[in-house]
Amino acid sequence: AAGVIQSPRHLIKEKRETATLKCYPIPRHDTVYWYQQGPGQDPQFLISFYEKMQSDKGSIPDRFSAQQFSDYHSELNMSSLELGDSALYFCASGVGGYQETQYFGPGTRLLVL
Amino acid sequence: AQSVTQLDSHVSVSEGTPVLLRCNYSSSYSPSLFWYVQHPNKGLQLLLKYTSAATLVKGINGFEAEFKKSETSFHLTKPSAHMSDAAEYFCVVSGSVYSGGGADGLTFGKGTHLIIQP
Repeated sequence: AAGVIQSPRHLIKEKRETATLKCYPIPRHDTVYWYQQGPGQDPQFLISFYEKMQSDKGSIPDRFSAQQFSDYHSELNMSSLELGDSALYFCASGVGGYQETQYFGPGTRLLVL
Repeated sequence: AQSVTQLDSHVSVSEGTPVLLRCNYSSSYSPSLFWYVQHPNKGLQLLLKYTSAATLVKGINGFEAEFKKSETSFHLTKPSAHMSDAAEYFCVVSGSVYSGGGADGLTFGKGTHLIIQP
């Protein structure tokens, strides 16, 4: 079965640089979620989109932005990167949003030097 | 607001013995509850989901969980542990702490590291 695809899988950036993470949901899924998992931490919800509109917002820094495109893929844009942004970033997809099951991708590991 | 408390940060059991991972939740409405597993350097895999259809939920790999509203608990169990069960387990509730309900971000517990002794 098709799964959530995230790219790139690994990314190394310098402080103050920008990064763009991409997420391709499972076919026919209309909802995308982004999570950040710091080292040894639980995943923290950042933001979600349903039918290309922002649905819910969590602990996403103002330096980050995201959008969902007409083909339902999503991009997380991160600017002015800080050392503390080093983390595993997960994308999840689902159908219908609220209380529905979220299926997670393999994650993008970002290292900020 | 929703919150999840996993009562043990580490659980160690011998292979072939039962597993019990404890989780308590708090929610201002009837939540959906999940258990996810994360193997080292891997993504998050759904083990099982509770949505009020039945209080005893069966998941993959022999895991099951029982929803007890009176105790606000959703403990995860497995009759016989296998070496491949060694991983981090997250109890998760629907809805984020930033919402008053009706939102769709998940709130994770801090995780329980399951260690399987040979």
